[in-house]
Amino acid sequence: GAVVSQHPSRVICKSGTSVKIECRSLDFQATTMFWYRQFPKKSLMLMATSNEGSKATYEQGVEKDKFLINHASLTLSTLTVTSAHPEDSSFYICSARTSGALGELFFGEGSRLTVL
Amino acid sequence: SQQGEEDPQALSIQEGENATMNCSYKTSINNLQWYRQNSGRGLVHLILIRSNEREKHSGRLRVTLDTSKKSSSLLITASRAADTASYFCATSGNMLTFGGGTRLMVKP
Repeated sequence: GAVVSQHPSRVICKSGTSVKIECRSLDFQATTMFWYRQFPKKSLMLMATSNEGSKATYEQGVEKDKFLINHASLTLSTLTVTSAHPEDSSFYICSARTSGALGELFFGEGSRLTVL
Repeated sequence: SQQGEEDPQALSIQEGENATMNCSYKTSINNLQWYRQNSGRGLVHLILIRSNEREKHSGRLRVTLDTSKKSSSLLITASRAADTASYFCATSGNMLTFGGGTRLMVKP
């Protein structure tokens, strides 16, 4: 089946630094990728839809200047958490959709960000 | 707001028993997917059922979809301790929206 690779799986950083998380579709091209955030024991909250070659679409309440999304190729989307603060600590998950009207979604393993 | 809502939120059963989780949603969908998530890990896609399908099987999993009631159920038969995880339904219309999840604990 389709595989989505997310890297890094865990990252610890100091407050004020920026962290980049990569999401790659390994065996298919994904014009659309999604970024989710998950708080402990909670469900996934959609942050933004990443479209290859165009600007990401952010959900209400998500700061686009804080969470920079770049989808420069058909197999790679990146999420950069800028000037990270402890409240940004969370589990971030990406997904990529296969092509077609009924495209299926495949998820990365997630990236756990801890901001000290 | 969440599109899908799982029921129950938490379920504890003995190994060998069947586990049934339900999901209700609000708007029209293209398909409905069930995912599994072990604690602190990513999501694993279990099964996808399209809006024109009523039932689907995959190993010990059985999923039903009732579009008239806007609901779906996931049945795990002959549960194992390794089935302990959170299970989410997700509906795909214009975007994928997750329910709150059911935390399943299977006691050995």
